[in-house]
Amino acid sequence: GENVEQHPSTLSVQEGDSAVIKCTYSDSASNYFPWYKQELGKGPQLIIDIRSNVGEKKDQRIAVTLNKTAKHFSLHITETQPEDSAVYFCAASDYGQNFVFGPGTRLSVLP
Amino acid sequence: ETGVTQTPRHLVMGMTNKKSLKCEQHLGHNAMYWYKQSAKKPLELMFVYSLEERVENNSVPSRFSPECPNSSHLFLHLHTLQPEDSALYLCASSQDVQGGGDEQFFGPGTRLTVL
Repeated sequence: GENVEQHPSTLSVQEGDSAVIKCTYSDSASNYFPWYKQELGKGPQLIIDIRSNVGEKKDQRIAVTLNKTAKHFSLHITETQPEDSAVYFCAASDYGQNFVFGPGTRLSVLP
Repeated sequence: ETGVTQTPRHLVMGMTNKKSLKCEQHLGHNAMYWYKQSAKKPLELMFVYSLEERVENNSVPSRFSPECPNSSHLFLHLHTLQPEDSALYLCASSQDVQGGGDEQFFGPGTRLTVL
């Protein structure tokens, strides 16, 4: 089955700096890669996703890149703000109900 | 109410108790999910329902029993749980399961503590 690894497990950055979180997956059949943000006391919320026919996608300060050959994808957050502090999860799906999440990255943005 | 709601938000139970978690989605989705979120572990998919039929059961112990009476409601019945079952239980919904790649909308979760 699919296995998703995520690094780093914790990340601290200064406000205004960029943050990068990387995930690798094992199943070449996976073709949908969402990123979720989970704030304290809340469930995960989708912030951006990418499908296998696209190499990069951007939404304001957030971008995701995908390398299908190497089986890895990354989340990039630019100009970080304190409200970006949360736990971020990547996931990989083969378009069925097989949704496998990474272990999460706790991001702290220091003022 | 909008989105996905879960009740109760917090639950403390003994190992011999029987309790139920409730999830309701107001999004008109056809698929609903139960996940378990433990400290320092990935989200674990427990059950998937599509149009009220169970389509996935990821080797979950029988002390967890799901019920989906209609496409808007999902229950997780709990009995004779163990302390290691203490976790955050998240419910999610999506438009469909088949031909997926759909965003999953999560509820806020139920924080369960088993004494």
